[in-house]
Amino acid sequence: ETGVTQSPTHLIKTRGQQVTLRCSSQSGHNTVSWYQQALGQGPQFIFQYYREEENGRGNFPPRFSGLQFPNYSSELNVNALELDDSALYLCASSFRAESQETQYFGPGTRLLVL
Amino acid sequence: LAKTTQPISMDSYEGQEVNITCSHNNIATNDYITWYQQFPSQGPRFIIQGYKTKVTNEVASLFIPADRKSSTLSLPRVSLSDTAVYYCLVYLDTGRRALTFGSGTRLQVQP
Repeated sequence: ETGVTQSPTHLIKTRGQQVTLRCSSQSGHNTVSWYQQALGQGPQFIFQYYREEENGRGNFPPRFSGLQFPNYSSELNVNALELDDSALYLCASSFRAESQETQYFGPGTRLLVL
Repeated sequence: LAKTTQPISMDSYEGQEVNITCSHNNIATNDYITWYQQFPSQGPRFIIQGYKTKVTNEVASLFIPADRKSSTLSLPRVSLSDTAVYYCLVYLDTGRRALTFGSGTRLQVQP
């Protein structure tokens, strides 16, 4: 069974640029969630994708967008990068259930905006 | 939105049992309690999850009293590699299905 993978592992961008981060979900999972984790803080929910549609969003501006593909992999796109976007970006996959579902996290992508 | 409260930090020595308690006074009927472990610059790792009473797996035990307003993660015989941040989460907001992380408990295990 393959776990959650993310690419790239590290990325350096300059302010104003755009970035795309990628996530492959764990085998058998159909839901992907994205989180942003600033240094010294807990992860903050960005949004979740289920059946290729956004299924919930945290307190992040529209320049944070995403996609989910038929194979359940996902992309996180961030436009007009700001210095405060520097963080660890985490992807978590899960199997959608009626009640409880457990999210499993990937290793993250470390983004540095200069 | 219900919150979880857990100690900011704890210290222990190798071989000791560590108990981290989390309070979640406003837990809803359908909410589960989940604990994650996170090492620096890595994604959170699922440890254990429960609804009531006691749950045990190969790495930890989770104790949940009848009122479910708190829970205790028990790590038996910790080692240096257990030094990490531990997050207690209550599965909230079923509409968004988002995990709400607090600041976690920073566990430092010393030799």
